[in-house]
Amino acid sequence: NAGVTQTPKFRVLKTGQSMTLLCAQDMNHEYMYWYRQDPGMGLRLIHYSVGEGTTAKGEVPDGYNVSRLKKQNFLLGLESAAPSQTSVYFCASSYSFVGFDYEQYFGPGTRLTVT
Amino acid sequence: GNSVTQMEGPVTLSEEAFLTINCTYTATGYPSLFWYVQYPGEGLQLLLKATKADDKGSNKGFEATYRKETTSFHLEKGSVQVSDSAVYFCALTTNNQAGTALIFGKGTTLSVSS
Repeated sequence: NAGVTQTPKFRVLKTGQSMTLLCAQDMNHEYMYWYRQDPGMGLRLIHYSVGEGTTAKGEVPDGYNVSRLKKQNFLLGLESAAPSQTSVYFCASSYSFVGFDYEQYFGPGTRLTVT
Repeated sequence: GNSVTQMEGPVTLSEEAFLTINCTYTATGYPSLFWYVQYPGEGLQLLLKATKADDKGSNKGFEATYRKETTSFHLEKGSVQVSDSAVYFCALTTNNQAGTALIFGKGTTLSVSS
């Protein structure tokens, strides 16, 4: 049981380049999330998905797109990278709605630098 | 809107000292409250949680009590260890929150020296 995995762990992009971050979970979770973590800002929600084939915008969605074609995978795309997207990206997943068993499980993160 | 405010760090303590990290929140509805911990170079791990008023979450010697009257969820530990050095995040979610996503505080860095 690997939990939540993220690929790649590190990446350096030039301004204007594109890339896709992959998140995979093997816990059969319905909900998946992408957050970004910036110094002094905590984590902020980029996009999320409440099930296969569904996605929705979070707090800071501009410049990103997502897809959830399979229940276990959640992809985050940057079509034209900008230096402001330099950050650490975390994927998370959860099974149940808010309640006693609720917990989000986080991946190890992807450190992205845009030059 | 929903928000979490936690004390700014860094917090620097000697081993065996008492730890308090303050966290207050603003939320509509009835939030569930969480403390997550991030060790250097790793992702976030759930430390403890409380889902209703007056609940006390506890784990690994850490405790936090959900105080609705003061909208607080302060993290405490009686005797910290060097291995507790990490960044601690207070967070909440509500049943009207987008996909139950978490709202995080900015994080508090704890550094414990021997």
